[in-house]
Amino acid sequence: EAGVAQSPRYKIIEKRQSVAFWCNPISGHATLYWYQQILGQGPKLLIQFQNNGVVDDSQLPKDRFSAERLKGVDSTLKIQPAKLEDSAVYLCASSLEPGSTEAFFGQGTRLTVV
Amino acid sequence: GDSVTQMEGPVTLSEEAFLTINCTYTATGYPSLFWYVQYPGEGLQLLLKATKADDKGSNKGFEATYRKETTSFHLEKGSVQVSDSAVYFCALSEGNTNAGKSTFGDGTTLTVKP
Repeated sequence: EAGVAQSPRYKIIEKRQSVAFWCNPISGHATLYWYQQILGQGPKLLIQFQNNGVVDDSQLPKDRFSAERLKGVDSTLKIQPAKLEDSAVYLCASSLEPGSTEAFFGQGTRLTVV
Repeated sequence: GDSVTQMEGPVTLSEEAFLTINCTYTATGYPSLFWYVQYPGEGLQLLLKATKADDKGSNKGFEATYRKETTSFHLEKGSVQVSDSAVYFCALSEGNTNAGKSTFGDGTTLTVKP
């Protein structure tokens, strides 16, 4: 079974530029999550999708971050404009359904803002 | 709000030593508890879980018991190997077993020397 795929693996941009990350969850997984993991900290949830609808985006900085999951499969997370403090690893995870006892994480995209 | 506190690292042990990584939590309800492991260059992997008080999760020689009275979920292994070197994250999900929507600790880095 293929895992959660994310791209790119690494990205370096200058502050005030925009960037987008892509996630392809495990086939059949209805629930998708984006997390931000700053160096030395645990992952923090940004947004949760159920199919193509947003379930929880209360921790997403909406002035600069946006996310979508068209057609309920792939998802993109965008930052515009980026700030230095956005440097982090962005993790995507998926689970079969909201009540699942296990979630599967991708390898993440490491973003460096200079 | 919910929070997870892990013992500070890094932890360095010799092969075959006993491992304990402490984890305590604060939650308003009855959370499910998880330990994740992140090997170098890889994504987060679920190591073990427990969904109710007194449950013991176990996997690959690791164990953790859900202690409601002390709000703890300490990770233990009787004899560590070099291959156990990784970052370990304790996490909780509130209410139901929604594993993907979790609050994480800041991680503990374990290095095992031969």
